[in-house]
Amino acid sequence: ILNVEQSPQSLHVQEGDSTNFTCSFPSSNFYALHWYRWETAKSPEALFVMTLNGDEKKKGRISATLNTKEGYSYLYIKGSQPEDSATYLCARNTGNQFYFGTGTSLTVIP
Amino acid sequence: NAGVTQTPKFQVLKTGQSMTLQCAQDMNHEYMSWYRQDPGMGLRLIHYSVGAGITDQGEVPNGYNVSRSTTEDFPLRLLSAAPSQTSVYFCASSYATGTAYGYTFGSGTRLTVV
Repeated sequence: ILNVEQSPQSLHVQEGDSTNFTCSFPSSNFYALHWYRWETAKSPEALFVMTLNGDEKKKGRISATLNTKEGYSYLYIKGSQPEDSATYLCARNTGNQFYFGTGTSLTVIP
Repeated sequence: NAGVTQTPKFQVLKTGQSMTLQCAQDMNHEYMSWYRQDPGMGLRLIHYSVGAGITDQGEVPNGYNVSRSTTEDFPLRLLSAAPSQTSVYFCASSYATGTAYGYTFGSGTRLTVV
């Protein structure tokens, strides 16, 4: 089993704060790193797919970076809003299989 | 677009019963997979398929069977349900395996085995 670890497990921030969280993964046999946003009672939605060391992706106020050599990815949210409240999952792709972390649960307090 | 459609949304089974969870996608995705999601654990891969006629085991395949007779459909069969199979099941599909394509997930099936 190729473990993907996410930290922190949960996070509460005030509206307007910026925040970030971490996904760590084994750096061997790396194909891609995925980030998903998972709102309660819905299904996960893809945010980013990153493949190359140093990749940076951005979508609105959310951005992500990738370091494949040391095996980590950061997800950043700038100026958090209540609608950003969700669980953020990362997944490591080794080819045909995805290994998901347990997620970071973000709550943005108005 | 319907995306990935899972049925049923909820199901209660008695121990020993069998059933099939249905998954269909209309995006012509080659790659389809089944995950289960349990409290405190990440999504765990049960089985996956890289195309019609091709299936393979994931991390937790025991007690489940799959088949892929068409590109669109990827049913998951529970052979003899056990309480340990109480979980939320997600079907997901992707345009291709590997790097650049994220998953599209179905809405999930909440299964309780009593």
